[in-house]
Amino acid sequence: SQKIEQNSEALNIQEGKTATLTCNYTNYSPAYLQWYRQDPGRGPVFLLLIRENEKEKRKERLKVTFDTTLKQSLFHITASQPADSATYLCALDSRSNAGGTSYGKLTFGQGTILTVHP
Amino acid sequence: GAGVSQTPSNKVTEKGKYVELRCDPISGHTALYWYRQSLGQGPEFLIYFQGTGAADDSGLPNDRFFAVRPEGSVSTLKIQRTERGDSAVYLCASSPLAGVSYNEQFFGPGTRLTVL
Repeated sequence: SQKIEQNSEALNIQEGKTATLTCNYTNYSPAYLQWYRQDPGRGPVFLLLIRENEKEKRKERLKVTFDTTLKQSLFHITASQPADSATYLCALDSRSNAGGTSYGKLTFGQGTILTVHP
Repeated sequence: GAGVSQTPSNKVTEKGKYVELRCDPISGHTALYWYRQSLGQGPEFLIYFQGTGAADDSGLPNDRFFAVRPEGSVSTLKIQRTERGDSAVYLCASSPLAGVSYNEQFFGPGTRLTVL
């Protein structure tokens, strides 16, 4: 059966350190993998997307890697700050087709709660 | 501009009642999604609209759940004969254009449904 796992339910780190979050999947062939941030009481907010043929993507202090052989994505936040504290969700985007149009059907992991201590 | 809005923000109902949850997507977004999120879990896909039609409703758990988007903008998720297990946060997301090579989804704040 298809399965997505974010390895840590919770991650606590000290301000200034690099946070590394892991997303593993089985029995999927995603075209893309997306990472979202979710704060309490709010909907997820898109952060980064990486395509299946890309190894790494960066945006400011964020870096995502995608290894389709290992079926794993790593999400890094460098120079972490207390304001980075939130739940981070990985989502597999398996291209689907309906009505003659391709669309992204997202399957989310359960999330990792990151807390950055000052 | 305005983001995705959802009303109500909270809904408490009794078992067996009917509820409607509303989503106002970002203006011009043709793709609209509904998800359900239980405590400690990631969002779970329910249904996808492309314009007015429900192009993929494979995530709806049973026939008590139904959603419409009659004019290709606002969408309503309808739940009949609610059960305690329906309690969750219902999230709506929209995306600018179906058929592009990828779609970043813009989420609303969600409606927290509690069935007593």
